[in-house]
Amino acid sequence: NAGVMQNPRHLVRRRGQEARLRCSPMKGHSHVYWYRQLPEEGLKFMVYLQKENIIDESGMPKERFSAEFPKEGPSILRIQQVVRGDSAAYFCASSRDGNTEAFFGQGTRLTVV
Amino acid sequence: RKEVEQDPGPFNVPEGATVAFNCTYSNSASQSFFWYRQDCRKEPKLLMSVYSSGNEDGRFTAQLNRASQYISLLIRDSKLSDSATYLCVSRAGGTSYGKLTFGQGTILTVHP
Repeated sequence: NAGVMQNPRHLVRRRGQEARLRCSPMKGHSHVYWYRQLPEEGLKFMVYLQKENIIDESGMPKERFSAEFPKEGPSILRIQQVVRGDSAAYFCASSRDGNTEAFFGQGTRLTVV
Repeated sequence: RKEVEQDPGPFNVPEGATVAFNCTYSNSASQSFFWYRQDCRKEPKLLMSVYSSGNEDGRFTAQLNRASQYISLLIRDSKLSDSATYLCVSRAGGTSYGKLTFGQGTILTVHP
């Protein structure tokens, strides 16, 4: 049973470009969470999704950021017109439901140059 | 007030020591709790789940006090490999809603 898969592991983008981060949850998991972590800081909640629905996006910046979790395929975190401040590690986690354990992917490290 | 608060440490302990971390949560609707460990530049890894009053797994013991809204993690006989950041997590809601809220983490360094 493969774990949570995130790709790419490392992503370099120039300012103004778009970044697309993908997360495939564990088999049987329908809840997906995205977190951002800056160096030397804690995990900051961004968005919580279930299949085809955004449940809680209270941690998402109002502009340039969006997330989806379609019926088929991975969850996507999309950052438009990236800026240097978007450079961070982005972690995705998945769980079977709202009570059971959540497992993390290895993260995508985004660097904006 | 942060929803989940932890003593950031750092805790520096010798091998073989017993160390305890504390965590408080403010959301009384929180139903489940977890401890994760995170190594430098790696993803958080689940250490323990705490659904009722406590849980024990080898050298690790977690306790939950709902009345005081307090969770603890005890590590006995510390190993060098226990050096990491320990994250306390609370989860509100039920089966269909389970946002995970993380504390800032407690840094542990175990030295020879």
